[in-house]
Amino acid sequence: GENVEQHPSTLSVQEGDSAVIKCTYSDSASNYFPWYKQELGKRPQLIIDIRSNVGEKKDQRIAVTLNKTAKHFSLHITETQPEDSAVYFCAASESGYSTLTFGKGTMLLVSP
Amino acid sequence: DAGVIQSPRHEVTEMGQEVTLRCKPISGHNSLFWYRQTMMRGLELLIYFNNNVPIDDSGMPEDRFSAKMPNASFSTLKIQPSEPRDSAVYFCASKVAGERDEQYFGPGTRLTVT
Repeated sequence: GENVEQHPSTLSVQEGDSAVIKCTYSDSASNYFPWYKQELGKRPQLIIDIRSNVGEKKDQRIAVTLNKTAKHFSLHITETQPEDSAVYFCAASESGYSTLTFGKGTMLLVSP
Repeated sequence: DAGVIQSPRHEVTEMGQEVTLRCKPISGHNSLFWYRQTMMRGLELLIYFNNNVPIDDSGMPEDRFSAKMPNASFSTLKIQPSEPRDSAVYFCASKVAGERDEQYFGPGTRLTVT
């Protein structure tokens, strides 16, 4: 089955800096890669996703890149703000009926 | 759209008691997932249903756990008897099976077993 590794487990940055979270996956059949943000005591919420037919996707201050050959994908947050502080999860699946396999999460702390 | 609805939001029970968690998926979604989240193990998939049929329950920890989906708008996760190590946040999520991949989570049920 699929295995997703996520690094780092914790990340502290200053407000305004960029943050990068990296994930690797094992199953070459995976072609859907979402990122979820979970604030303390809240539910995981989908913030951005990418499919294997594209290498990069942007949405305002967040972007995701995908390298299918190397089986890794990354989340990039620019101009970080304190409200970006949360746990971020990457996941992978084969599009369609397959389930998501989640990474262990990265706790991002943005200091003012 | 009300989103995925879960109840109760918090449950405190004593070891040995039966616990039932409930979930109403987003209308029109035909895949439903039950997850458990703990600090140690992260987000674990327990079981998922497509069109009310259980597809994969390999994540269910043991026979004390059972899940049902009697119709397209309701699912339950039952723990009987409960143990302290079952303490966790249990999330339900739903999606449209097939061509749509986005999965949406409910607010979760925080279970504490004393």
